[in-house]
Amino acid sequence: DGGITQSPKYLFRKEGQNVTLSCEQNLNHDAMYWYRQDPGQGLRLIYYSQIVNDFQKGDIAEGYSVSREKKESFPLTVTSAQKNPTAFYLCASSIARDTEAFFGQGTRLTVV
Amino acid sequence: AQSVTQPDIHITVSEGASLELRCNYSYGATPYLFWYVQSPGQGLQLLLKYFSGDTLVQGIKGFEAEFKRSQSSFNLRKPSVHWSDAAEYFCAVGAVNDMRFGAGTRLTVKP
Repeated sequence: DGGITQSPKYLFRKEGQNVTLSCEQNLNHDAMYWYRQDPGQGLRLIYYSQIVNDFQKGDIAEGYSVSREKKESFPLTVTSAQKNPTAFYLCASSIARDTEAFFGQGTRLTVV
Repeated sequence: AQSVTQPDIHITVSEGASLELRCNYSYGATPYLFWYVQSPGQGLQLLLKYFSGDTLVQGIKGFEAEFKRSQSSFNLRKPSVHWSDAAEYFCAVGAVNDMRFGAGTRLTVKP
């Protein structure tokens, strides 16, 4: 089955530690995205990539980093510079930037 | 850049009643329009989309939406709501190499 896989579903991190969230897609989509979701705030774009080895900052990129070494994979690293990292993180992919997006099931990150 | 407004943060309807969720967008031309649904703790699932043509589009789970150019709206409707429709609903606008999501409307269904 084609789709997007995010792992892990739940993640706990100690303050001051970096953590990497995984996102893999087998839809052969060029574009991939990371969104952050907080209660009552909808989806906020962190980073997006439209092609391998290229990515762009979204609206809230500070404290986050990404890589796009393979078409299928777009991992997100939440660094210690992110002051309020506890949130629900969603990965998505699409054929192009303005077409329908397919979402993963999300990763809930909690800082302890 | 385009923007999306969902005026209603939270809506409560009785099971079996009709539903309309509002979505307004701001963009100079006709964008691509989408409605997604999100159950708690899950990702978003596409309900329906409008690219061009017939302004009334049918989606999954009995939902439909109507594009009204004059009102810059793309409201989501369902004639009879089921308890399983309780979720968060997001309107999205795609245009010129960009995609914007509304803040979402949370739907509660009363028995």
